[in-house]
Amino acid sequence: DAGITQSPRHKVTETGTPVTLRCHQTENHRYMYWYRQDPGHGLRLIHYSYGVKDTDKGEVSDGYSVSRSKTEDFLLTLESATSSQTSVYFCAISETGQPYGYTFGSGTRLTVV
Amino acid sequence: LAKTTQPISMDSYEGQEVNITCSHNNIATNDYITWYQQFPSQGPRFIIQGYKTKVTNEVASLFIPADRKSSTLSLPRVSLSDTAVYYCLVGPQGANDYKLSFGAGTTVTVRA
Repeated sequence: DAGITQSPRHKVTETGTPVTLRCHQTENHRYMYWYRQDPGHGLRLIHYSYGVKDTDKGEVSDGYSVSRSKTEDFLLTLESATSSQTSVYFCAISETGQPYGYTFGSGTRLTVV
Repeated sequence: LAKTTQPISMDSYEGQEVNITCSHNNIATNDYITWYQQFPSQGPRFIIQGYKTKVTNEVASLFIPADRKSSTLSLPRVSLSDTAVYYCLVGPQGANDYKLSFGAGTTVTVRA
């Protein structure tokens, strides 16, 4: 989607290695989110940010950390990747945090082997 | 956010109207009903939101009865490109509500 870019789009990594996914926005929106999507589970919130250096946990945060040192970038790190973290990861941004205003990126497909 | 229940899947044919009902018995007074659509290999996108009665835009209509314990998303005359997952979310508007949670949604498959 315009204004939000996720990188990489695809990644294969080995169990136990660290992985960082990047979400970059050009909209200057305050709120940024990381979700994972798995078959049968819909999208589940991992972490979110409500400002630079302001982050909090979502419903499935174990094994993940995030950082937001600039308004435009929100990084998701898997400190030691496991096979259970194989998933599609989506980043979203929101100007106000209102339910109608989320814009999602195109996703990163991560495979941990 | 209030708990919602929606069908796992629905099948339809081109040109038909598709109605997806979402149950939200515990909806609060200040809750709004929001629907997102997700095409294959893409992130979800907002399609419609309502509080009561009926809302219509270029994509869909949203019908909300007086008791607001359910809502129905209506997709008129669907085409193959309407094949997607549709998510119903219920929650309050406000500065503190910045954690949307999506359930499994309803997978709508449109056939020729």
